[in-house]
Amino acid sequence: QSVLTQPPSMSAAPGQKVSISCSGSGSNIGKNFLSWYQQFPGTAPKLLIHDTNKRPSGVSDRFSGSKSGTVATLGITGLQTGDEAEYYCGIWDSDISAWIFGGGTKLTVL
Amino acid sequence: QLQLQESGPGLVKPSDTLSLTCTVSGDSISSSRYYWGWIRQPPGKGLECIGNIYYSGSTFFNPSFKSRLDMSVDTSNNHFSLRLASVTAADTAVYYCARLIRSLEPGRRPSRFDPWGQGILVTVSS
Repeated sequence: QSVLTQPPSMSAAPGQKVSISCSGSGSNIGKNFLSWYQQFPGTAPKLLIHDTNKRPSGVSDRFSGSKSGTVATLGITGLQTGDEAEYYCGIWDSDISAWIFGGGTKLTVL
Repeated sequence: QLQLQESGPGLVKPSDTLSLTCTVSGDSISSSRYYWGWIRQPPGKGLECIGNIYYSGSTFFNPSFKSRLDMSVDTSNNHFSLRLASVTAADTAVYYCARLIRSLEPGRRPSRFDPWGQGILVTVSS
C-alpha cells in the first residue's frame, strides 16, 4: 500500500529524547530512500534527514534517522523548545511511481 | 546557492485552471541529477506531492491528480510550471516548488526534496 503512517502528535519534556515513527511498506520504505522534514508554522519545510540516516550540512547531530524493515524512525535527543514543529517523512513509492509524504507529527516540547 | 521562487495568481475561480511557475536561480534546471516538483499543503493539513518533472519533460504525477494535471519545463528560462484544471475549494492550499534530488545509488531513484521555495497561497473562490 502506498501510504506512510505517522503518529499525529507527540510530546516530551526539554532535555528528553523522542522517537517519531513512519510506517510504510515494501514498495516504499522497503526499497527506497526515506527523508525527514521539519516545518515551523508559516514556513516551508526544511530537509532534516535523507537516505534514512544522513544529515545535511548544518543540521544538528541531535537529529538522527534509522530504519527497521518497513518502519523508519526519527530520533531527537536533548529536546529544546525550539524543536517544537511538525515533522514529516517522505519517500518515493515504486508501485505508483510517485512521491508520498506521511501525515505529519506535531511535536510539543513541554 | 540554489533558490526557487513560486509565482502566479493567488485567487482562482472554481472550475478554472490553476497555473503556477517556479523560477530556479543559482543552478541549471537541466541537470541529470534532479527532478523538479510541486507539493501543496491545504490550510491546517499535511504535505501532498502533486507531481515531478525531469528537464527532458518526463513527468511523474501523483495518481490523485493525473486526470487534471499538466507540468512543463522551460530550460531556456530555467523555470518549470504547473497547471491544475477544474479546481474546487479543495484545491485551496499553499503550493511549494522544490528540487527533488536523485540518489547516486544504482537505479538513481528520487531521494529527497531540497531546497524548497517559500510557497504561494492559492485560494479557490468565486
